[in-house]
Amino acid sequence: DAGITQSPRHKVTETGTPVTLRCHQTENHRYMYWYRQDPGHGLRLIHYSYGVKDTDKGEVSDGYSVSRSKTEDFLLTLESATSSQTSVYFCAIGQSSYEQYFGPGTRLTVT
Amino acid sequence: AQRVTQPEKLLSVFKGAPVELKCNYSYSGSPELFWYVQYSRQRLQLLLRHISRESIKGFTADLNKGETSFHLKKPFAQEEDSAMYYCALSLGAGGTSYGKLTFGQGTILTVHP
Repeated sequence: DAGITQSPRHKVTETGTPVTLRCHQTENHRYMYWYRQDPGHGLRLIHYSYGVKDTDKGEVSDGYSVSRSKTEDFLLTLESATSSQTSVYFCAIGQSSYEQYFGPGTRLTVT
Repeated sequence: AQRVTQPEKLLSVFKGAPVELKCNYSYSGSPELFWYVQYSRQRLQLLLRHISRESIKGFTADLNKGETSFHLKKPFAQEEDSAMYYCALSLGAGGTSYGKLTFGQGTILTVHP
């Protein structure tokens, strides 16, 4: 597996609370991505980064924010979690358009 | 905007039978197409990409620009092929594309003994 980890791996939180998911890489890849995986929707891009402090919105960015203060870390924040954000979240890294490497995923449940 | 469609949510075959997982895309330009696979309790990983024109684990996929399809095929399925398969599209890493992927809904393949 490429050097990419996610924390926490599992989290249960209550509606309205803030949540931050962390993605950490040791590959020095330029691009980092956050996806959510939902049945019937596949993986959908939430936010992505193309460099330190360079981020942009993906397809389903409402209710999420991100930050990348250094190459190896990409944080995803749910400012006020809602039940619709219950999902499995995947971080991915890439250096070109040829392949993305995925983390193990974080299973988030919002009650 | 680009779109990827995998019409089959579930696909079941018997060991040794041929298998085809369908993927159609909509994009007017020349995208890059991929198949990713997620085995049980493993990470999502790249299976193959159309630009490589390679065969991985016996799987092949041909890009048909006329039909905007990128179907995944294997002549003789094995039980270890059981997994979730995703077709994905990229507009490349240049410009403002940044290698972003658009995924289909996924197909769960089950190969019975």
